[in-house]
Amino acid sequence: GAGVSQTPSNKVTEKGKYVELRCDPISGHTALYWYRQSLGQGPEFLIYFQGTGAADDSGLPNDRFFAVRPEGSVSTLKIQRTERGDSAVYLCASSPYSGQGRDYGYTFGSGTRLTVV
Amino acid sequence: GDSVTQMEGPVTLSEEAFLTINCTYTATGYPSLFWYVQYPGEGLQLLLKATKADDKGSNKGFEATYRKETTSFHLEKGSVQVSDSAVYFCALRGGNTPLVFGKGTRLSVIA
Repeated sequence: GAGVSQTPSNKVTEKGKYVELRCDPISGHTALYWYRQSLGQGPEFLIYFQGTGAADDSGLPNDRFFAVRPEGSVSTLKIQRTERGDSAVYLCASSPYSGQGRDYGYTFGSGTRLTVV
Repeated sequence: GDSVTQMEGPVTLSEEAFLTINCTYTATGYPSLFWYVQYPGEGLQLLLKATKADDKGSNKGFEATYRKETTSFHLEKGSVQVSDSAVYFCALRGGNTPLVFGKGTRLSVIA
């Protein structure tokens, strides 16, 4: 597609429930990134994929968070047993490739606003 | 680890005023530096970038120069417009690592 698409744009869930957030990157972009942005803060890194594999998941806050990218395109961020502190905007970004091309900026989606009540 | 510090907002300016948003960084090696902008209701957009010392990134009248000696990448614009009202994020990327962002600076321009 023309840009990075994230669905849903808004998600309200009850504490303890499971949620899935979807990211559809720009076609051909091999690197995909997930960030979390809390109110008044900058985006915080969660995980990034190079192709199908998670190249760096050091930003995932705990084992309730998991992400997959089975075919090297669409990615799903999964959050189990949601807590009120998980409420934030979850951003996805993609870039042509990681590694050598470190001067490439990322293209971000509009984000999914997750509210845990 | 790598980090970015930018001036706290909010910054409120009158139209046509000069803008500076300070950004300093801490990183090993030679990171690439970026400014991203987030307009109300929209996603993050790359505004400009610089990949090595003394490079100047520029776009839409905004400029920032990569200063290795002061580890800075201050954002400037000579004459701001109401349409520049947004949140601005300084960011760096060192080597093979993902982008690291500052906390953001909210700019409000009034007519």
